[in-house]
Amino acid sequence: NAGVTQTPKFRVLKTGQSMTLLCAQDMNHEYMYWYRQDPGMGLRLIHYSVGEGTTAKGEVPDGYNVSRLKKQNFLLGLESAAPSQTSVYFCASSQIAGGGTDTQYFGPGTRLTVL
Amino acid sequence: GENVEQHPSTLSVQEGDSAVIKCTYSDSASNYFPWYKQELGKGPQLIIDIRSNVGEKKDQRIAVTLNKTAKHFSLHITETQPEDSAVYFCSSALIFGKGTTLSVSS
Repeated sequence: NAGVTQTPKFRVLKTGQSMTLLCAQDMNHEYMYWYRQDPGMGLRLIHYSVGEGTTAKGEVPDGYNVSRLKKQNFLLGLESAAPSQTSVYFCASSQIAGGGTDTQYFGPGTRLTVL
Repeated sequence: GENVEQHPSTLSVQEGDSAVIKCTYSDSASNYFPWYKQELGKGPQLIIDIRSNVGEKKDQRIAVTLNKTAKHFSLHITETQPEDSAVYFCSSALIFGKGTTLSVSS
């Protein structure tokens, strides 16, 4: 049981390039989330999903898109990367009731640098 | 929008001392309050949580208290050990506090 995994672990992009971050969970959780973590800012919610085929915006969604084609996977896309998107990205999942009413299980993170 | 305030941002204690971290929240409808511990280079991991129908919850050296009227909840760690050194986050309704860096010196 691997829990929540994220691919890749590190990535360096040039401004304007695109990329996709992959999150996978093997716990059969309904809810999945993408956060970014910046120094002194805590974790901020980018987008989340309450089930396969559904997505919703979080606190800081601009510049990102997401897709949840399969229940176990949640993809985060950057269409045209900007230096302000340099951050550590965490994926999380939870079993029941979104809106922050259940334990979230986090992946190990992806460190992204945009030059 | 909704907000979660966490204090202090840094906390240094001697091994064996107690540590207390406090959070206030703004969402009156929130009913689940978890605390996460993040070690260097890793993702956050739940250490304890509390729901709104309970005022206090303990798990060995860790406890959480909740005051719904005042909209604040606190993490208490007793008999701190060097391995407690980490960043701690509180959360309410998918909003996270900015974190507290706890350093325990031996």
